[in-house]
Amino acid sequence: ETGVTQSPTHLIKTRGQQVTLRCSSQSGHNTVSWYQQALGQGPQFIFQYYREEENGRGNFPPRFSGLQFPNYSSELNVNALELDDSALYLCASSPHTGYSSTDTQYFGPGTRLTVL
Amino acid sequence: RKEVEQDPGPFNVPEGATVAFNCTYSNSASQSFFWYRQDCRKEPKLLMSVYSSGNEDGRFTAQLNRASQYISLLIRDSKLSDSATYLCVVKDGDDKIIFGKGTRLHILP
Repeated sequence: ETGVTQSPTHLIKTRGQQVTLRCSSQSGHNTVSWYQQALGQGPQFIFQYYREEENGRGNFPPRFSGLQFPNYSSELNVNALELDDSALYLCASSPHTGYSSTDTQYFGPGTRLTVL
Repeated sequence: RKEVEQDPGPFNVPEGATVAFNCTYSNSASQSFFWYRQDCRKEPKLLMSVYSSGNEDGRFTAQLNRASQYISLLIRDSKLSDSATYLCVVKDGDDKIIFGKGTRLHILP
């Protein structure tokens, strides 16, 4: 069984640039959630994808967008990067029962983004 | 009031001691509760779910108090390997998942 993988592991960008982060969900998991974790903070929910559609969103501006592909992998795109976007971006996968995602989430190792 | 609040610590506890953390939540309609553990520069990992009746897993005991809207985690006979940040997680009826900022625990030899 393959766990959640993310790429790249580290990334350095400058203000105003755009970035795409990638996530492959754990085998058999059809729901992917993205979180932003700033230093010293808990993960903040960005959004969740199920069946290739956004299925819930946290308090993040529209410049944070995402995609989910038929194989359940997902991308997080951030446009017009700001200094405060520097953080660890975590992807988590879980199976979906058809009514809601199950409780247990399995996290990937994260992508550490630095915006200069 | 923040949605999920935790004492950030750090809690510096001698090896073998018992330590407890609390976490309060603001949404009385919250339905599911969890404790995750996060090691330095690593991803969070589920430690245990928290059930209404309370639950125990080895040295770890989790309790839920709906009336006062808090959950707790008790660690007995603490080990050096228990040093980590413990994240309280609350899931509401809309599948919105909210993490606390975490409580840092240092087990001292």
